[in-house]
Amino acid sequence: QSVLTQPPSVSGAPGQRVTISCTGSSSNIGADYDVHWYQQLPGAAPKRLIFRNTNRPSGVPDRFSGSKSGTSASLTITGLQAEDEADYYCQSYDSSLSGWVFGGGTKVTVL
Amino acid sequence: EVQLVESGGGLVKPGGSLRLSCAASGFSFSNAWMNWVRQGPGTGLEWLGRIKTNLEGGTTDYAAPVKGRFTISRDDSRDTLYLEMNSLRTEDTGVYYCSLDWGSGWLWGQGTLVTVSS
Repeated sequence: QSVLTQPPSVSGAPGQRVTISCTGSSSNIGADYDVHWYQQLPGAAPKRLIFRNTNRPSGVPDRFSGSKSGTSASLTITGLQAEDEADYYCQSYDSSLSGWVFGGGTKVTVL
Repeated sequence: EVQLVESGGGLVKPGGSLRLSCAASGFSFSNAWMNWVRQGPGTGLEWLGRIKTNLEGGTTDYAAPVKGRFTISRDDSRDTLYLEMNSLRTEDTGVYYCSLDWGSGWLWGQGTLVTVSS
């Protein structure tokens, strides 16, 4: 069981908006540690998508956005596209474990 | 361009050992905190450990499942990161990634597959 909790899957039609939640606790997200998000396409390595809660690296489409509040964070894809079918992972630091933790991953399916 | 290239994966028997390497280029390796992360078959990402710069003492930290069995080291003269794995178990099977803490999220290599099986 992962320290950060994500829904196993979400789906939506092309053009729709989907949101992936990442729920932590007072020793990670709630302790004000940053949250990063990664996209992993089938058969590929993870690629950074959102860093420090809300920031997009250059080259990442602006339909991807992140937010954070309290002990949770969210990744939103606005205007879902077929190429967004992938697994998405959140990441933060945990002070109780003295190490980095990941969510269990969320598979996004475009209907 | 940042490049991280892992190597050294393969098939090993339970109880055996393996050393993975990660060749880095495109950034100042000696100034970087580096991590190892693995992904089991069909499962999510699991952080294994991190090494700080040699200027900071090369301090290492490990996740509980691998502490005492795995050792992370670095050779700044070769821009290479290592993961020495001992007492391997079947549950250590997976793809092993080295990752660079870029300060704005992590950058990842392509991974190397480790299979622990008799």
